Amino acid sequence: AQKVTQAQTEISVVEKEDVTLDCVYETRDTTYYLFWYKQPPSGELVFLIRRNSFDEQNEISGRYSWNFQKSTSSFNFTITASQVVDSAVYFCALSEIQGGKLIFGQGTELSVKP
Amino acid sequence: EAQVTQNPRYLITVTGKKLTVTCSQNMNHEYMSWYRQDPGLGLRQIYYSMNVEVTDKGDVPEGYKVSRKEKRNFPLILESPSPNQTSLYFCASSGTGTGSVEQYFGPGTRLTVT
Repeated sequence: AQKVTQAQTEISVVEKEDVTLDCVYETRDTTYYLFWYKQPPSGELVFLIRRNSFDEQNEISGRYSWNFQKSTSSFNFTITASQVVDSAVYFCALSEIQGGKLIFGQGTELSVKP
Repeated sequence: EAQVTQNPRYLITVTGKKLTVTCSQNMNHEYMSWYRQDPGLGLRQIYYSMNVEVTDKGDVPEGYKVSRKEKRNFPLILESPSPNQTSLYFCASSGTGTGSVEQYFGPGTRLTVT
């Protein structure tokens, strides 16, 4: 069965701190896709990144970086030098089919205080 | 601008009064789906469509209907809404090629059924 676990329900940091959001997934498929989405207080779901199971290369985009490790079934997300605008709920998600159903984790609520 | 649009954004209605939430995408995506988001239950898929005239149930389809007569539109129909359908609803779309499997979400529709 597929499952995504985000063990951190809430994280609170002070601006400029680095923060890592953990994501652990379960799947029996050898081909799958992992995603991170951001849900700011305004409520929309914003796509951040996708990783294919066959591509373990880590990625950096500005202050954001993602670490994908198949050996530990983890896809962690790090924000460097956090800012107040990073305050949001972050969701990790898994899909076993191209464009198919997303299995979401429960989300991590990040609060960045000035 | 590539986007998924939903209407209405907010709706308060009464039990039993049929309603339709529209969803439209301008990215020529084959795959479209509906999710609902509830506190403590997270995001769950209601229905999905792999292409025109092809729809199927997700995890929580009871009380909902959908149709896919055109590629760009995927309306969600509540024939007889009940209070347990009070929720935040998201429409999403994606392509089905290897390079385009991320789902893009509409802004959400906050529905209250009294």
